[in-house]
Amino acid sequence: AQSVTQPDIHITVSEGASLELRCNYSYGATPYLFWYVQSPGQGLQLLLKYFSGDTLVQGIKGFEAEFKRSQSSFNLRKPSVHWSDAAEYFCAVVARGADGLTFGKGTHLIIQP
Amino acid sequence: DSGVTQTPKHLITATGQRVTLRCSPRSGDLSVYWYQQSLDQGLQFLIQYYNGEERAKGNILERFSAQQFPDLHSELNLSSLELGDSALYFCASSPEPRSSYEQYFGPGTRLTVT
Repeated sequence: AQSVTQPDIHITVSEGASLELRCNYSYGATPYLFWYVQSPGQGLQLLLKYFSGDTLVQGIKGFEAEFKRSQSSFNLRKPSVHWSDAAEYFCAVVARGADGLTFGKGTHLIIQP
Repeated sequence: DSGVTQTPKHLITATGQRVTLRCSPRSGDLSVYWYQQSLDQGLQFLIQYYNGEERAKGNILERFSAQQFPDLHSELNLSSLELGDSALYFCASSPEPRSSYEQYFGPGTRLTVT
């Protein structure tokens, strides 16, 4: 069965600093990969997704992620964070042909002024 | 706003009771997914429906059931509720039941079992 690991439960970053959130997946083949963001009291919003092709994908709100097959990783990055980026971030995978997303436990991002 | 609506927003009930959560997908989406978010289990896929038919099952308990109606709205029924069922329940929808389609999430229903 596929699984997703987000090793960092909490990350604190100063406003304006760069950000990298880690995600590792376990699956026999390359799944579809996603990053979602959940703000307090809100549903989940898709930031970006990787299906195939260019391993560096651009998303909304200035986020990008890089798929590295050799490391089974799909890390999320942002060059300069804003206070409004404080939220919970979830990495998710789905096997090609399957339908339900498998989520990591999430990383809680705190932005320091 | 994703276009997916869920009602009610909050629900408080007692152990042993039964509740029904409702989801209306985005206009034109035929596929509906249900997820549970709890502190200890995280976000878990429960079940998926496509155009009225059950399509895929995840970690859904036997006490839970769902259905999708001809107008494509879906209901998740939770019965014999236990304290551990307290969670945020999300509905998501997509145009087709394919993993390559983005799932749009609703705001969730927070269930508290006392």
